[in-house]
Amino acid sequence: EADIYQTPRYLVIGTGKKITLECSQTMGHDKMYWYQQDPGMELHLIHYSYGVNSTEKGDLSSESTVSRIRTEHFPLTLESARPSHTSQYLCASSAGFSTEQYFGPGTRLTVT
Amino acid sequence: GNSVTQMEGPVTLSEEAFLTINCTYTATGYPSLFWYVQYPGEGLQLLLKATKADDKGSNKGFEATYRKETTSFHLEKGSVQVSDSAVYFCALIDSGGSNYKLTFGKGTLLTVNP
Repeated sequence: EADIYQTPRYLVIGTGKKITLECSQTMGHDKMYWYQQDPGMELHLIHYSYGVNSTEKGDLSSESTVSRIRTEHFPLTLESARPSHTSQYLCASSAGFSTEQYFGPGTRLTVT
Repeated sequence: GNSVTQMEGPVTLSEEAFLTINCTYTATGYPSLFWYVQYPGEGLQLLLKATKADDKGSNKGFEATYRKETTSFHLEKGSVQVSDSAVYFCALIDSGGSNYKLTFGKGTLLTVNP
């Protein structure tokens, strides 16, 4: 069973607030990913990292930022939340040459 | 570029019915193909995968065969259960070079009624 954690699971905040979504994995995986899942279920890659101090933007443009200071930790930050950021955010990780990604349970964000 | 097209839902079946969810892909290289499942309120779980043409992935009674000639990876199960109700995603990784990014289909919601 995969050991990848996301906190909080649910978050409701007001417009303009700064938020950080946490993602941690205990598997020692070098690669980590953030996906945004819209209400229609479609998944979009917004950030990825292939190792410490390495981050890249994904296929969908996002106003969020990420950092990868430690292998196990890949937080996502929104400096000023807006209603258009309302979505589910899924974190995932993978190891080495493996193509299998392990997903966390997700954070459901609502911006009012 | 890479893309995945899967059968639009929602799909509603009775328990013990046969399930097929169609998936076709386009890729520039030689992709690995996956089916992921998302149960209500949870993240995605890998259901099965196939890494080369004619491979068959299978798990929990689900099967899918990598068909290069038709660029397809259809998901099948002979007898669905209520507990199979979930969203199913077809996905690929184009295994050329150092690309590890998944390309997903839009997802198919399956509801199985008792």
